Amino acid sequence: AQRVTQPEKLLSVFKGAPVELKCNYSYSGSPELFWYVQYSRQRLQLLLRHISRESIKGFTADLNKGETSFHLKKPFAQEEDSAMYYCALSGGGGYNKLIFGAGTRLAVHP
Amino acid sequence: SAVISQKPSRDICQRGTSLTIQCQVDSQVTMMFWYRQQPGQSLTLIATANQGSEATYESGFVIDKFPISRPNLTFSTLTVSNMSPEDSSIYLCSVESPGGRNTIYFGEGSWLTVV
Repeated sequence: AQRVTQPEKLLSVFKGAPVELKCNYSYSGSPELFWYVQYSRQRLQLLLRHISRESIKGFTADLNKGETSFHLKKPFAQEEDSAMYYCALSGGGGYNKLIFGAGTRLAVHP
Repeated sequence: SAVISQKPSRDICQRGTSLTIQCQVDSQVTMMFWYRQQPGQSLTLIATANQGSEATYESGFVIDKFPISRPNLTFSTLTVSNMSPEDSSIYLCSVESPGGRNTIYFGEGSWLTVV
């Protein structure tokens, strides 16, 4: 079964601390993985995707097929990073329905 | 990118009534998706709507409860029928990026409360 697991509902850190939001997935084929973010009072938006191998707002995420993980990392958290983060999976092949994890709320304290 | 407008943004509905949510996109898109986000939970796909064909529903969702229209490439509606308090959710419209795959944009959502 296709599934995305985000084990932490809340991650609370201080400004400047490293951040790692965990995401594990279950998928039989070759999935495409994404991180979406929702800031307070804003719409859900794409943060990054594994095929781009890019860094957005200092965040990176590496797809580890052996561990079936796609953890989101940032070396130094900022207060403006406080938001809800969702890991999502797409089966690819031109069919872009997304399967979302439960989400992790990141709270960065001054 | 795509700009998505949803109406209504928020509503309080009486049990047993139906409500239609509208989704307007500023560019032509092939695929539109409807998601539900129940309180404190993640997003769950309800159905995929392609222009000119019947919507494809995910397991646990049926057309009688959530009829969808897709009259053209920029517009879709989702109706929540015969509502009960369990239907209190945020309903989100999303689209695939025009001209590119695997970038999904979301509307701001329609927050329905059923009393």
